[in-house]
Amino acid sequence: DTEVTQTPKHLVMGMTNKKSLKCEQHMGHRAMYWYKQKAKKPPELMFVYSYEKLSINESVPSRFSPECPNSSLLNLHLHALQPEDSALYLCASSQRPQTDTQYFGPGTRLTVL
Amino acid sequence: GDSVTQMEGPVTLSEEAFLTINCTYTATGYPSLFWYVQYPGEGLQLLLKATKADDKGSNKGFEATYRKETTSFHLEKGSVQVSDSAVYFCALNRPNFNKFYFGSGTKLNVKP
Repeated sequence: DTEVTQTPKHLVMGMTNKKSLKCEQHMGHRAMYWYKQKAKKPPELMFVYSYEKLSINESVPSRFSPECPNSSLLNLHLHALQPEDSALYLCASSQRPQTDTQYFGPGTRLTVL
Repeated sequence: GDSVTQMEGPVTLSEEAFLTINCTYTATGYPSLFWYVQYPGEGLQLLLKATKADDKGSNKGFEATYRKETTSFHLEKGSVQVSDSAVYFCALNRPNFNKFYFGSGTKLNVKP
């Protein structure tokens, strides 16, 4: 099974709201990733967690706050977002950090009003 | 730096036509190469991969061969179906890095 699940599927929020995106995998993978994808563009890496520790932050604004509570879960906390943050947010995982294949979830479609 | 270049889309084909989507890369060392597919409104699905020169990845009738001499990983399918309509991303990942480099994506439209 190579399934990564994400909730919610869709999210609409105002600029003053606080919300969270969730990602879960039960493949025993020890690396997890957040990507942002704008329409008609490839995914852009935001964060990488390796063995539950943040290893890469691609200069993401602090209004995005990742969290990895355990090896199966990855959250992305959102606060004071801007309309330009509207995008598809994808979670991915890989067996170990620095191994090749990443498996992606279906994404959360975020709209910021 | 590392990069992936894909052919511009959209590519429009009739059902049962032959498909080629070109992908070339720039990377130091010996990267692994991937094709991912994204159907409308969905996440990325791994289509196939190759981890060393001359390897051929294949899945669901799609094939791609890792050509180090031409730094290419072109995607091919002998007979496309309407259900193959999607965006296809070529990507690379270097050993000891956990960062993917994606191409810009190529949209494929298959008409009945």
